[in-house]
Amino acid sequence: AQSVTQPDIHITVSEGASLELRCNYSYGATPYLFWYVQSPGQGLQLLLKYFSGDTLVQGIKGFEAEFKRSQSSFNLRKPSVHWSDAAEYFCAVGDSGATNKLIFGTGTLLAVQP
Amino acid sequence: NAGVMQNPRHLVRRRGQEARLRCSPMKGHSHVYWYRQLPEEGLKFMVYLQKENIIDESGMPKERFSAEFPKEGPSILRIQQVVRGDSAAYFCASSPLSEETQYFGPGTRLLVL
Repeated sequence: AQSVTQPDIHITVSEGASLELRCNYSYGATPYLFWYVQSPGQGLQLLLKYFSGDTLVQGIKGFEAEFKRSQSSFNLRKPSVHWSDAAEYFCAVGDSGATNKLIFGTGTLLAVQP
Repeated sequence: NAGVMQNPRHLVRRRGQEARLRCSPMKGHSHVYWYRQLPEEGLKFMVYLQKENIIDESGMPKERFSAEFPKEGPSILRIQQVVRGDSAAYFCASSPLSEETQYFGPGTRLLVL
């Protein structure tokens, strides 16, 4: 069965420091991969997505992610974190079959220290 | 282009009442997905609909829950005889016919007293 694992429940970084959020997936075929961000009480905003092609994907707000098939990973990175990046981050894999429903990880809550 | 609209944003019901959650997809989007986010958890797929058709309801509880996406009007997620365990945030997402990216609405937060 398809699944997504985000091993870090909470992460705290200092403002200006670099960030990497981990995501591992289990999926038989070539996955569609997504990172979404959710601010408290809000909906989900798409940060970036990978369907095919270049394995390094650029997204909004200075985020990027790298698809590594050999490691079944799609880690999210940002070189310099801003206080406004504090939020919850969800990795998801899309079922590329008929339904394209998304399977989400449990999320990583990011706190940013001044 | 307006985003995905959901209403109400917050809904309070007593046990045994009915809850109706509405979702208007982005203009030009004919695919609608509903997800549920329980407290402290990630989102779980519930149902996938196209206009007038339920395509995949594998994530829907077998009883009390139903969904529709009529030819005209918003998609509706209906929960009959709500129980406290139904308290959650319910998110709707839509996508265009030929794309794979889903765009999410702000969610409806249901509280069952």
